[in-house]
Amino acid sequence: QINLLQSGAALVKPGASVKLSCKASGYTFTDYYIHWVKQSHGKTLEWIGYINPNSDYTNYNEKFKSKATLTVDKSTNTAYMELSRLTSEDSATYYCTRGGNSGYYFDYWGQGVMVTVSS
Amino acid sequence: DIVLTQSPATLSVTPGESVSLSCRASQGISTSIHWYQQKSDKSPRLLIKYASQSISGIPSRFSGSGSGTDFTLSINRVESEDFSVYYCQQNYSLPLTFGSGTKLEIK
Repeated sequence: QINLLQSGAALVKPGASVKLSCKASGYTFTDYYIHWVKQSHGKTLEWIGYINPNSDYTNYNEKFKSKATLTVDKSTNTAYMELSRLTSEDSATYYCTRGGNSGYYFDYWGQGVMVTVSS
Repeated sequence: DIVLTQSPATLSVTPGESVSLSCRASQGISTSIHWYQQKSDKSPRLLIKYASQSISGIPSRFSGSGSGTDFTLSINRVESEDFSVYYCQQNYSLPLTFGSGTKLEIK
């Protein structure tokens, strides 16, 4: 079965960076985009961007262009998102998702990882 | 960016009732709308793609309709497991955007 397994919760200090992982299984990793979505306050969903694991092409929401960096490791079927210069506004749950057949809707979701930014 | 406005914010219903949830786009987006269900402390789950296309494994009581700017998610005879938050999402243009959600709660 298709599964996206994300790394555990993170507590990070303001100004630091954090790298989140998302290990895919149950399908051909390079056939589908991986998107990342932010959920703040348990409600608002925001699209951060996506990466094409086949080509490493990325596309970011302008709002997150200087915040997030998406990469993949095809040898381990793992996608990564690094968040830099963290502030309290970055405290949220982050999901990795698989892009559906068209690439731009989300047919499978990881379990989410909570990032807390606090000194 | 395309803004999606969902209404109502909260809908209180009795199990067995049928309901309709609305999602309105700030511009015409054809049928490029998708619906998700999110239960408390869980990841969202895809319910409907491209406005009305069903998803394998999703109960048939969930259906979608609409095109252009107005879209509806309908639940025929709500069951207890359906009480959660529902989001719409557009992929007509980047950046991909979501509505603010409709919470379906027990009356």
